[in-house]
Amino acid sequence: EAQVTQNPRYLITVTGKKLTVTCSQNMNHEYMSWYRQDPGLGLRQIYYSMNVEVTDKGDVPEGYKVSRKEKRNFPLILESPSPNQTSLYFCASRPIVGRGTQYFGPGTRLLVL
Amino acid sequence: DAKTTQPTSMDCAEGRAANLPCNHSTISGNEYVYWYRQIHSQGPQYIIHGLKNNETNEMASLIITEDRKSSTLILPHATLRDTAVYYCIVRGGVLTGGGNKLTFGTGTQLKVEL
Repeated sequence: EAQVTQNPRYLITVTGKKLTVTCSQNMNHEYMSWYRQDPGLGLRQIYYSMNVEVTDKGDVPEGYKVSRKEKRNFPLILESPSPNQTSLYFCASRPIVGRGTQYFGPGTRLLVL
Repeated sequence: DAKTTQPTSMDCAEGRAANLPCNHSTISGNEYVYWYRQIHSQGPQYIIHGLKNNETNEMASLIITEDRKSSTLILPHATLRDTAVYYCIVRGGVLTGGGNKLTFGTGTQLKVEL
């Protein structure tokens, strides 16, 4: 089944404790992206990657890092999480070529205390 | 990207057609209209997209006016599982800044009731 998976789905952590949210897709998509969703603010793009080893900042990159060492994986890293990063996070992927649509993962709900 | 305007909420009886409108009066010639939905905090799900012609797939139909300034998403036989927030997004067909990111507005909360 074609899908985007995220782990963990739920995470409670404390300020300053490094964490990684994994994202993996099995559709051989070149493009991957991370969004966060907050009440009243909609979905905002954090980082995106056009292909392996090619990443760039989205609208709200502060406090986040990403890497794209393999085509299928695009982890989101919070080096020193803060309470304002409490949010619902979505990973998405799509093919580069053509009028591709984005496929979203199930979401990761993060609470930073 | 062109801005879109959607009603905040709509109700629909189960089994009836749900018609969700979207205004995009500033749409430009190479911009597509995309529809996504999000069922209670799940990942957004692609529904359909179009440029100028009406489109239909197994999920829905998309009717775009001749001047392309508005569109309507039609769910022909709404079920309780169609209760969700529906987003109308206008996006260029070529890659631009953000790697063709999707800008989600506030969408329309569709509630399907018995």
